[in-house]
Amino acid sequence: NAGVTQTPKFQVLKTGQSMTLQCAQDMNHNSMYWYRQDPGMGLRLIYYSASEGTTDKGEVPNGYNVSRLNKREFSLRLESAAPSQTSVYFCASRLLAGVGRTGELFFGEGSRLTVL
Amino acid sequence: QKEVEQNSGPLSVPEGAIASLNCTYSDRGSQSFFWYRQYSGKSPELIMFIYSNGDKEDGRFTAQLNKASQYVSLLIRDSQPSDSATYLCAIKKGDSSYKLIFGSGTRLLVRP
Repeated sequence: NAGVTQTPKFQVLKTGQSMTLQCAQDMNHNSMYWYRQDPGMGLRLIYYSASEGTTDKGEVPNGYNVSRLNKREFSLRLESAAPSQTSVYFCASRLLAGVGRTGELFFGEGSRLTVL
Repeated sequence: QKEVEQNSGPLSVPEGAIASLNCTYSDRGSQSFFWYRQYSGKSPELIMFIYSNGDKEDGRFTAQLNKASQYVSLLIRDSQPSDSATYLCAIKKGDSSYKLIFGSGTRLLVRP
């Protein structure tokens, strides 16, 4: 099983350029998430999608847009990249907690983005 | 005040010792609590989950939850060098079934 797949794994951008990070999961999970991780900051929630057709802001949504394309795919777009957006981005998916389910997040391998 | 607080460490313990990692949170309505382990350059992986007050044990790991005091801790018994990693505490906020917020993580170093 592939689990959660993110592309690209590495990207270098110039300030002002735009790009989209792609994420797909094959676990039939309802909810999907984008986090960013900076040194000493842990994981910070950018946006999440509780289910297909819905998206909500997290802790640090400014400068980002998201699209829940279908149940499998959740993309993150940087319209005008800034050096402050240099980070490692993680996509994750989960099912709500229930009988036999913890409601844990399953993470992709991460996408390392550098904005010059 | 951060919603989820952890000491960044590093916490250094000798091999075979008990490592104690702590996490405090501000949202009294928080319902579920997770401990993730993250090796350098890798993605986080779940090691413990707890939602009821008290202790939950799984092998060498014990999670402890005290909702009245708003803290959750992770004990690692018989620490091994392979346990050296960053440990992230995450909570599911009470106002949402979907919002999971992480602390900044504690780096654990187990000395051989």
